[in-house]
Amino acid sequence: DIQMTQSPSSLSASVGDRVTITCRASQSVRSNLNWYQQRPGKVPKLLIYGGSTLQSGVPTRFSGSGGGTDFTLTISSLQSEDFATYFCQQSYSLPSFGGGTKIEI
Amino acid sequence: QAHLVESGGGLVKPGGSLRLSCAPSGFTFSDYYMSWIRQAPGRGLEWVSYITHNGRSHQSADSVKGRFTISRDNTNNALYLQMNGLTDDDTAVYYCAREVRGHYFVFDLWGQGAPVSVSS
Repeated sequence: DIQMTQSPSSLSASVGDRVTITCRASQSVRSNLNWYQQRPGKVPKLLIYGGSTLQSGVPTRFSGSGGGTDFTLTISSLQSEDFATYFCQQSYSLPSFGGGTKIEI
Repeated sequence: QAHLVESGGGLVKPGGSLRLSCAPSGFTFSDYYMSWIRQAPGRGLEWVSYITHNGRSHQSADSVKGRFTISRDNTNNALYLQMNGLTDDDTAVYYCAREVRGHYFVFDLWGQGAPVSVSS
């Protein structure tokens, strides 16, 4: 099984900040890495797949990069609606998720 | 607009069984691979099972293998998860999720979730 580790587990930020979240896989997943956003009490929403492809309708302030075992999600200018928990997920083999990163005010 | 709606969750005693259902709408269900994914209270996400578009192949996580069975009825547009031998560790919200066509295990559509609580 591929283990996914996210860091940090939580962070405090302000509107307008640039935020970066990292995700590390226990073995190479090539570019098969996806990012989801989950707002409190809501359903996870796909943001980025294939490491860097923005899902339709997702604002361009979100971007993904990386490959192999190390990936990052960047929010270029944090908006109020972005305060949420973010999960990475590998789709190279049977899926596994990271533990999540909660962005708080 | 595409939607998924789960049903069948509830409170069950350890060792008991439940069957979850997922009703799709707004898209051609038989074209898509589907999965069940769960989230324990205050915890992260755990993939449970997947099934191919035609139901001919499926697989489950080790944590539920031999106890949970995924199935689908493309004629009546429904996805199921039969859960047997439930334990406390199975307490979670269970989501059905659609995979992006051509991208295995990329989930672009999620239901609202069915809460399952296992307690004596």
